[in-house]
Amino acid sequence: AQKITQTQPGMFVQEKEAVTLDCTYDTSDPSYGLFWYKQPSSGEMIFLIYQGSYDQQNATEGRYSLNFQKARKSANLVISASQLGDSAMYFCAIGARSARQLTFGSGTQLTVLP
Amino acid sequence: NAGVMQNPRHLVRRRGQEARLRCSPMKGHSHVYWYRQLPEEGLKFMVYLQKENIIDESGMPKERFSAEFPKEGPSILRIQQVVRGDSAAYFCASSLTSGSHEQYFGPGTRLTVT
Repeated sequence: AQKITQTQPGMFVQEKEAVTLDCTYDTSDPSYGLFWYKQPSSGEMIFLIYQGSYDQQNATEGRYSLNFQKARKSANLVISASQLGDSAMYFCAIGARSARQLTFGSGTQLTVLP
Repeated sequence: NAGVMQNPRHLVRRRGQEARLRCSPMKGHSHVYWYRQLPEEGLKFMVYLQKENIIDESGMPKERFSAEFPKEGPSILRIQQVVRGDSAAYFCASSLTSGSHEQYFGPGTRLTVT
């Protein structure tokens, strides 16, 4: 079984500053992928970034980067130069080779302050 | 290339009625996943289907819930005799292969039971 823990129910960040959203995971499968999704108030799930367990380098997508520390089982999302439009709920998820479905954390509500 | 489509986007049902939620996967995708998001929570896996087959229904409630993905037409999530606790957002995702690393989410159906 897979598990995702997001310990920050809410976070605040000043516009243009960087913010880190925490995510730790647990799985017994040696092959897995870690995902981050953004859910704005409109409700849709927007894929942000993916990290495979065997990827040597941390994933980056524009202002998003994933700080992957395999030994610590953490996959934190870093958003640089925060914008007001980044205010949303952020979910971390894991998908293991042994299980087709994704397992999601409880989410972090990010609020960007002007 | 159209994304995953779900309809209706919003559905209101009275207690005891039936709810039918539809999901049309991305073109060429034959794998469909249903997830449920209760208020203030992350998404929880319900069921994984391929065309005409239920592969994994480990997340489905034992009663009142059923899912199908016929050879022709959309995948249907059916909830019989709805109760207030069924009020949630229901998301469908599709993938080209059975791997979880490439699931694309639809916009969700928000079910409200009055």
